[in-house]
Amino acid sequence: IAGITQAPTSQILAAGRRMTLRCTQDMRHNAMYWYRQDLGLGLRLIHYSNTAGTTGKGEVPDGYSVSRANTDDFPLTLASAVPSQTSVYFCASSEGQGDRTEAFFGQGTRLTVV
Amino acid sequence: GESVGLHLPTLSVQEGDNSIINCAYSNSASDYFIWYKQESGKGPQFIIDIRSNMDKRQGQRVTVLLNKTVKHLSLQIAATQPGDSAVYFCAERRSQGNLIFGKGTKLSVKP
Repeated sequence: IAGITQAPTSQILAAGRRMTLRCTQDMRHNAMYWYRQDLGLGLRLIHYSNTAGTTGKGEVPDGYSVSRANTDDFPLTLASAVPSQTSVYFCASSEGQGDRTEAFFGQGTRLTVV
Repeated sequence: GESVGLHLPTLSVQEGDNSIINCAYSNSASDYFIWYKQESGKGPQFIIDIRSNMDKRQGQRVTVLLNKTVKHLSLQIAATQPGDSAVYFCAERRSQGNLIFGKGTKLSVKP
């Protein structure tokens, strides 16, 4: 079944540790996104990539980095986790900046930093 | 700053009634809007979209209305069912192509 796969589904992480959240899509979408979702704040864009080889900063990029070596994968790295990064993280992809920018979402990664 | 927001954080309706969820946006340059539904423990799912050159778009049991004059977006759900219970988000497409989401409205359907 085509779609977006995120891993892990949940993780408890000690503060200060490095963590990479994985995201893979098989729809050959050009654009990919990372959002975090916190209660009362909705979905906030962390980083995005409009095409393989390019990335950009979203609303809340600090403390996070991304890479886009190929079309399918868009990992999100927390270099040194802090408790404020406790959240649910969603990866999404879309065809790009054409008429349709409908984004398809993964199931999310629930991260707890202690 | 510019943002997408919702008028009501929660909405409770009787099964079979119509639901209306509202959204205000402030970025006049946004050209595309989407409504998403998010069920507990899942990622957001696309419901319906509308481009800025349209006022209304209908889907199956759902209608989106866009009022560019007052920068207002609404989602109407006809004959609301228990399966419609979820959090609903509106999103706007900014000039860079990114989607910016509102904070969400929780819809509860009473049997």
